[in-house]
This record gives sequence, C-alpha cells and structure tokens, in this order.
Amino acid sequence: DGGITQSPKYLFRKEGQNVTLSCEQNLNHDAMYWYRQDPGQGLRLIYYSQIVNDFQKGDIAEGYSVSREKKESFPLTVTSAQKNPTAFYLCASSTGQGSSYNEQFFGPGTRLTVL
Amino acid sequence: EDQVTQSPEALRLQEGESSSLNCSYTVSGLRGLFWYRQDPGKGPEFLFTLYSAGEEKEKERLKATLTKKESFLHITAPKPEDSATYLCAVRLNSGYSTLTFGKGTMLLVSP
Repeated sequence: DGGITQSPKYLFRKEGQNVTLSCEQNLNHDAMYWYRQDPGQGLRLIYYSQIVNDFQKGDIAEGYSVSREKKESFPLTVTSAQKNPTAFYLCASSTGQGSSYNEQFFGPGTRLTVL
Repeated sequence: EDQVTQSPEALRLQEGESSSLNCSYTVSGLRGLFWYRQDPGKGPEFLFTLYSAGEEKEKERLKATLTKKESFLHITAPKPEDSATYLCAVRLNSGYSTLTFGKGTMLLVSP
C-alpha cells in the first residue's frame, strides 16, 4: 500500500538535546513538507522540499533543520535552539510543481514532548 | 496579509441535524482550496480540492462549495462517526505548492 510513514509516534526530549523525526513516503511524490501543529492553531509550515537535494524554509524554520538525500525520505531535526519544541509534527507529500493536482497527503504524525 | 478563517471554532450537532462549516479567505490569486478531516492524534485526511468559484464536490454526507471569497462544507444528516476537526487550506498563485491552513472547526455529532 502506498503511503507516508512517520516514526516514532511519540518522542521525548530532554532540554538541550537534538532529536530527529523520520518521514518516508512510497507514493513517488517529488515534494515533501514538514508542519507543526499546536492546540488551537492551524498547521504551520517548517520546511519543504520540491526535489532531491533542495529544500526551502517555511514560516517557522528557526531551530529546525532538514535534509533531502533521497526522494523517499525527508527527516526533520529539532535542535536545541528550538525554544518551544513540544508539539505534534506532521509530514506530508505531493506531486511536483508541474502537476495540476497538488493535494498534500499526510503521515500519522509524531508527538514530541520536552521533559 | 493572506488569511484563512474558519467558523465556527466548534460545532455540536445531534445525529441527523444538517449544518455547514465556513472557510473564508482574504488571499489574492487563489489556486485551489482544500478540505481535510483530522481525527484526534492523527494526521489530516484529504477530502476535497476546489479550484474555481461555483465548483462543488460531494463525498457521502459531505458537500463542499466554493465562491470567490469563501467555501462551505455542508454536512447532511451527520452521524457520530463524522465527529472530527475539519481543516481548510488554500494554495496561492505566488507560492509554490505550499498551503496556508485555517485553525479548523471541531465537529461533535451526538447520537
């Protein structure tokens, strides 16, 4: 079955630690995205990637980093510079810019809690 | 500033009681409006894409419509399993394929 997987489902971080969230897709999509969701707020874009080895900052990129070495994978690192990292993190993917159909499909999410 | 506003924030319905959710946007160059359903603790599930004013799409008890300034998600004879948060998002001409999301409407359908 095609889809997006995220791991782990739950993640606990001590202050000062970097943690990496995994996102894998087998939909053959070119574009991938990372969002953060906080209670009472809409999804906010952290980073996105249109193609392998290229990515752009979203609205709230400070304290985060990404890589896109493979089409299927788009890991997100939450660094110690992110002052309020406790949130629900969502990964999504979509077809490329040239497509008329650009719906984003989401993974199941990772809930990160800072201890 | 481009904005997406959803109303109401929360809605409680009795089973079978039809209603509508609203998504209004103040953006220029709309290139698509998207509706998603999100269950607690899960990722959003894609429902509909609307591209032009006057367009309508249906899926089971849900019907989405689009005007030049807003979209409605009509829920006909809802069932308890329709309880979820419904998210609206817009795609702009100026952006790549990035979406701007509203804060969502939390729907609770009681039996």
